[in-house]
Amino acid sequence: RKEVEQDPGPFNVPEGATVAFNCTYSNSASQSFFWYRQDCRKEPKLLMSVYSSGNEDGRFTAQLNRASQYISLLIRDSKLSDSATYLCVVKRGFKTIFGAGTRLFVKA
Amino acid sequence: EAGVAQSPRYKIIEKRQSVAFWCNPISGHATLYWYQQILGQGPKLLIQFQNNGVVDDSQLPKDRFSAERLKGVDSTLKIQPAKLEDSAVYLCASSLELSAGDTQYFGPGTRLTVL
Repeated sequence: RKEVEQDPGPFNVPEGATVAFNCTYSNSASQSFFWYRQDCRKEPKLLMSVYSSGNEDGRFTAQLNRASQYISLLIRDSKLSDSATYLCVVKRGFKTIFGAGTRLFVKA
Repeated sequence: EAGVAQSPRYKIIEKRQSVAFWCNPISGHATLYWYQQILGQGPKLLIQFQNNGVVDDSQLPKDRFSAERLKGVDSTLKIQPAKLEDSAVYLCASSLELSAGDTQYFGPGTRLTVL
């Protein structure tokens, strides 16, 4: 079993839709959590950190559930430009573990 | 502020040949990471440096891969000899410090094709 697991998708949604991704992690010692975005043939870029209290950045909301060991990302009012792969990242001590990513396609 | 620089951007070699990649992190960033990203997968950490010391190289195939970060700034990753399964994008990233909450900034990557 992989330490960080994501549904690979793809998620195909119309513009304006709300879409949510989950990511589960297996090691309860995990300390920090992030969502990165990766456009096709580009490098990953930090989208947002994830805190236990939940955090919001514009149309994006991230939440952490330590008891169930998962993090989530909610995108409201999807734009065409949101089409990308969303990578879940977990840090444990010095180790950084990426999930395989969830692909999102937003269509007009 | 200049980002993470990598070269070359693309490399095509035949199996059993050698190849080297170069990375220049963001100025002042103490921590440098090398990742391997195979098509359809997330990045896999190969090696992590804090200044010029290795913090974690547990997933580096040491029989064929080597990396160094002389003087704690630039870094090179070498593969010798290359195998077909080494075809991937090699990403370099840097962060200010080693703390768990630190943001990693990625370079554009080197796309390696092994024939």
